[in-house]
Amino acid sequence: GDSVTQTEGLVTLTEGLPVMLNCTYQTIYSNPFLFWYVHYLNESPRLLLKSSTDNKRTEHQGFHATLHKSSSSFHLQKSSAQLSDSALYYCALIASSSFSKLVFGQGTSLSVVP
Amino acid sequence: EAAVTQSPRNKVAVTGGKVTLSCNQTNNHNNMYWYRQDTGHGLRLIHYSYGAGSTEKGDIPDGYKASRPSQENFSLILELATPSQTSVYFCASGDASRGDTEVFFGKGTRLTVV
Repeated sequence: GDSVTQTEGLVTLTEGLPVMLNCTYQTIYSNPFLFWYVHYLNESPRLLLKSSTDNKRTEHQGFHATLHKSSSSFHLQKSSAQLSDSALYYCALIASSSFSKLVFGQGTSLSVVP
Repeated sequence: EAAVTQSPRNKVAVTGGKVTLSCNQTNNHNNMYWYRQDTGHGLRLIHYSYGAGSTEKGDIPDGYKASRPSQENFSLILELATPSQTSVYFCASGDASRGDTEVFFGKGTRLTVV
């Protein structure tokens, strides 16, 4: 079935350093939709980025990601980490024509320290 | 603004007891989801629905039932609760008309089975 893999469970970064969180996916569907959701402590998860276009960079709130269908990847990046970026980040996939089943990865906890 | 309301927010249940988690959305979304969140596993899909009267098994449906009696309401039922079902449960809703639509989450229900 469809699946999403995030290899890092915990990433600790010093403020000001670049962020890169990895996401790869598996699906037989040729037109998947990929998402990044962010979950701050004591809040609900919410959408950060989305894409379905191959090799096109998408940006929001200083973060960016590019869907690469050739490598089945959708890595999340930011040029300079801020303390307020500390949160749980989920990569997610919709890979069916019915647009119904939304599958998440294991999540990466990002901790930004001074 | 999109709204998903979960009840109860906290629940302590006894092993072998029946637990019902409720979810209501005022977004008029066709799709609704139940996830559980556990450290190291991320958000795992239990059941989902693409409209009133429908329920579909997600990736970890064993031990759970779901009910979608109306567009607005989606319940998760644990007929015989076990300690392994101790977790934080999130309900979400999304528009089924397009694959890149945002999914909106409730605030979560913390369930402890003793």
